[in-house]
Amino acid sequence: KAGVTQTPRYLIKTRGQQVTLSCSPISGHRSVSWYQQTPGQGLQFLFEYFSETQRNKGNFPGRFSGRQFSNSRSEMNVSTLELGDSALYLCASSPPVGELFFGEGSRLTVL
Amino acid sequence: DQQVKQNSPSLSVQEGRISILNCDYTNSMFDYFLWYKKYPAEGPTFLISISSIKDKNEDGRFTVFLNKSAKHLSLHIVPSQPGDSAVYFCAASGVLYNFNKFYFGSGTKLNVKP
Repeated sequence: KAGVTQTPRYLIKTRGQQVTLSCSPISGHRSVSWYQQTPGQGLQFLFEYFSETQRNKGNFPGRFSGRQFSNSRSEMNVSTLELGDSALYLCASSPPVGELFFGEGSRLTVL
Repeated sequence: DQQVKQNSPSLSVQEGRISILNCDYTNSMFDYFLWYKKYPAEGPTFLISISSIKDKNEDGRFTVFLNKSAKHLSLHIVPSQPGDSAVYFCAASGVLYNFNKFYFGSGTKLNVKP
């Protein structure tokens, strides 16, 4: 069974730009969650989508948004990038309730 | 609000001995707990889980213990191997009402010395 695939793996942006990250979940998984990991911090929950609906949302500003498509693939977007947005963004897929299976992440650097 | 805490940033253990990683939580509504291992430049890998109806779950060298009254869980690795050297995260959720919204600790870096 193929794992969770995230693209791109690495990207560099400048302040004020926007970025879109993509996630393809494990086949059959309809729940996709996004997490942000910064140095010294644990994983911070961004949002979760299930069957194209946002089911949960973390405490991030509105610049962070996401969506899920009918094939369960998900994208997250960050607009008006700030230096503090530099982080590893992790996508995880799971059954409706259960363990999270993570991708390798997208490493975003904001200059 | 940090609802899940791992108070030890690092732990060093000799190969063959037991590694004990600890995790505390504050929300009594949490009913499902996970442990993950993470190597640099990779995503976290699921290790073991436990639900609040149990106080122990075992999978090979890994055992997780849950003390609900103390809001504490621990991961035991026996025997520890050099390949276990990684950052370990615990995570918690109230799945009945929050589904897959998990709160993660800040991680403990385990170093297993040969």
